[in-house]
Amino acid sequence: DVKVTQSSRYLVKRTGEKVFLECVQDMDHENMFWYRQDPGLGLRLIYFSYDVKMKEKGDIPEGYSVSREKKERFSLILESASTNQTSMYLCASTLGTGETDTQYFGPGTRLTVL
Amino acid sequence: QKEVEQNSGPLSVPEGAIASLNCTYSDRGSQSFFWYRQYSGKSPELIMFIYSNGDKEDGRFTAQLNKASQYVSLLIRDSQPSDSATYLCAVTGGFKTIFGAGTRLFVKA
Repeated sequence: DVKVTQSSRYLVKRTGEKVFLECVQDMDHENMFWYRQDPGLGLRLIYFSYDVKMKEKGDIPEGYSVSREKKERFSLILESASTNQTSMYLCASTLGTGETDTQYFGPGTRLTVL
Repeated sequence: QKEVEQNSGPLSVPEGAIASLNCTYSDRGSQSFFWYRQYSGKSPELIMFIYSNGDKEDGRFTAQLNKASQYVSLLIRDSQPSDSATYLCAVTGGFKTIFGAGTRLFVKA
């Protein structure tokens, strides 16, 4: 079974802090994604990566950056956390670029910014 | 802006009934369509995908796709209380997947 893990289930940070969220997948998947999920808005794509050191902006990249130094690891960075970044953050991975690829999700990190 | 629309619900059905969940999408170039189930406090998990017009069945679940109408649906037969969850419709074209906001389903025992 594919396993996607995230570094924290719950995180509380203060406004202005730098926040690191880490995601690791163990099935040699090519593509990795970061989403945030907010009530009524569904899952929104922040960034994705289709190869090591490659990254592409999603629909809401402002205020975020990412890093993918190793194939199995994809990090989301909040350079200066703000209260409107309070959300559930979900990491996902897919095997390749085939149209039928399933997204495998990590358990999520619920981030609260005070 | 590419969109995927779902009725937020909640949709309430009695145990044993058929639950019908619907989704429309705006991008005619979309090629693959997914249904995910998300229990409260958990992450989404795949139920099934469909990419050809028509019906696709997997156990109690049937996905239906009509590309001309830009419409995809999920039928759950013999609904069980354990089916109570939020169901997310997702549409893929290329690398990116667009998710709907989800429909909350309650199955009453």
